[in-house]
Amino acid sequence: GESVGLHLPTLSVQEGDNSIINCAYSNSASDYFIWYKQESGKGPQFIIDIRSNMDKRQGQRVTVLLNKTVKHLSLQIAATQPGDSAVYFCAEKRRIQGAQKLVFGQGTRLTINP
Amino acid sequence: DAGVIQSPRHEVTEMGQEVTLRCKPISGHNSLFWYRQTMMRGLELLIYFNNNVPIDDSGMPEDRFSAKMPNASFSTLKIQPSEPRDSAVYFCASSFDPDILRGEQYFGPGTRLTVT
Repeated sequence: GESVGLHLPTLSVQEGDNSIINCAYSNSASDYFIWYKQESGKGPQFIIDIRSNMDKRQGQRVTVLLNKTVKHLSLQIAATQPGDSAVYFCAEKRRIQGAQKLVFGQGTRLTINP
Repeated sequence: DAGVIQSPRHEVTEMGQEVTLRCKPISGHNSLFWYRQTMMRGLELLIYFNNNVPIDDSGMPEDRFSAKMPNASFSTLKIQPSEPRDSAVYFCASSFDPDILRGEQYFGPGTRLTVT
């Protein structure tokens, strides 16, 4: 079936290094994607979004890349800090049975090592 | 602004009891979302409202679940009767965007529900 998924459930990087979190999607009609960060005991927090008519979007220390050819989404975090340790979710907006849905992936846990 | 406010933060109840979760969205936001998060199923969108009107409730798992939004500043999610498999963290989120499912959603701290 169609789904939003993640290649890696866990990722550990050294403080100061760059990290890349990946997400695969299977519905080529999806037109909008979001990355959320969730720290332990808290609700998800919006990081960045991208529309399907774009390939790249940059924020503060974060970049989202969208490759529609292979249906792949990635979140790059530059110069990681301890506060970046969290679970990161990708989500896609797509139409299911005639209705617009927001579907979240299972998440990747990012751990920043000192 | 205080952000999205949810109550209670923790709820422990026995199977068969009615549970009511409450949410106060951010003032000025016109969309409100209820999510459920479990280890097995991840984050699931249950229902969302726009201008106090339910838009899509297809994510509500069973008829035991119901949600209301009587005004722009308050929403409830009710489970009646509750079952152990309803145990999860329930999040409320709000946003203001002309396209309901686009843009930044602001999540509350969640309600951790345990049904024994």
